[in-house]
Amino acid sequence: GNSVTQMEGPVTLSEEAFLTINCTYTATGYPSLFWYVQYPGEGLQLLLKATKADDKGSNKGFEATYRKETTSFHLEKGSVQVSDSAVYFCALNNFNKFYFGSGTKLNVKP
Amino acid sequence: GAGVSQTPSNKVTEKGKYVELRCDPISGHTALYWYRQSLGQGPEFLIYFQGTGAADDSGLPNDRFFAVRPEGSVSTLKIQRTERGDSAVYLCASSPDGGTGGNIQYFGAGTRLSVL
Repeated sequence: GNSVTQMEGPVTLSEEAFLTINCTYTATGYPSLFWYVQYPGEGLQLLLKATKADDKGSNKGFEATYRKETTSFHLEKGSVQVSDSAVYFCALNNFNKFYFGSGTKLNVKP
Repeated sequence: GAGVSQTPSNKVTEKGKYVELRCDPISGHTALYWYRQSLGQGPEFLIYFQGTGAADDSGLPNDRFFAVRPEGSVSTLKIQRTERGDSAVYLCASSPDGGTGGNIQYFGAGTRLSVL
């Protein structure tokens, strides 16, 4: 079957710290992978995506690389800001059906 | 409108009542998705429309849940004989063409349903 597992939160970091949020997946075929972000009081919005193995998605300083050999799509950012505080969801799309992880809450302190 | 619009933003109902949740997708988007998000969880797929037809309704939990999209634009999620366990945020998303794996979904703000 298809599923997404991501690290539990909350993750609390100081401003300018390095961020990693782990995401692994199980899928049949060749899914596309996504990170969505939900800021407080707002709806989900796409952060980045990768559609095939070894693709790297990037946006707003965040990066994730589609690793087929380890079935992973870990989210990284070199220097987080207070404004990055949000809930981050890893997701996959397989045959037009989307599967989401349970979300990881990130708190960034000044 | 500019984005996906969901109404109402909040709905409080009593156990056993019928509710309708509306989604107005981005103009021109052919694919429309409904999800349910419980507290502390990620969105859970319910149903996917391509145009007017339900291409995949395998996520609907039981026959109390039904969704329509009669003109290929606005969609309504209908829940009969609501139960307390139906309380959640119901999310709608639209996409230009659900047929492409890398397609981006655009989410509405959701309807928070509370069944008392």
